[in-house]
Amino acid sequence: QVQLQESGPGLVKPSETLSLTCTVSGDSISGYYWNWIRQPPGKGLEWIGFIYYSGRTMYNPSLNSRVTISVDTSKSQFSLNLSSVTAADTAIYYCARYGYGYDGNPTHLVYWGQGTLVSVSS
Amino acid sequence: QSALTQPRSVSGSPGQSVTISCTGTSSDVGTYNYVSWYQHHPGKAPKLMIYDVNHRPSGVPDRFSGSKSGNTASLTISGLQAEDEADYSCYSYAGNSLWVFGGGTKLTVL
Repeated sequence: QVQLQESGPGLVKPSETLSLTCTVSGDSISGYYWNWIRQPPGKGLEWIGFIYYSGRTMYNPSLNSRVTISVDTSKSQFSLNLSSVTAADTAIYYCARYGYGYDGNPTHLVYWGQGTLVSVSS
Repeated sequence: QSALTQPRSVSGSPGQSVTISCTGTSSDVGTYNYVSWYQHHPGKAPKLMIYDVNHRPSGVPDRFSGSKSGNTASLTISGLQAEDEADYSCYSYAGNSLWVFGGGTKLTVL
């Protein structure tokens, strides 16, 4: 059973960098795409970006200039850095893995972490 | 890319059917058959219910079905049960390796 667990500070000061790590267990991190998603209070889910195990990344254009996702295959972990945070970045942050669809492409989020609440406040 | 449009809320009585719509554009839902649906109970991880428009993962009841017409995808839940009360979100590929969620729909079982 694949399990994902987010970890990191629950409180970040405005203008600082939010850093979270997702630890994967139950399967190899290799061969898959790994995502970060967030949900601000009272709002819908927002895709932040993904990283392929080889290091290829893609980010939501609305966050592109502030986001960095990295992977450490030796530790079965991938990480999110979001710089220059404001109160608008307060959200539950989820990590998730893509599953492969019928045509062999990554098409859906099959495994999710439980999520971690990050608040931005001084 | 802009968020996909979902109704804020829908409701139905036990045993009834409800349909949740997810409207995008010709750049996402209208072009790609990579629409998936997620059930989200507060405090829990979202759960995949439908992928590739109309495919159910193993373990998801066949009361849940998905479809698409033009720029709008739909999730239908038949034989509504109390435990179906949750938030539901759609998710679609938007081209150029970009992805977009819907705003989410709160389903209330009356």
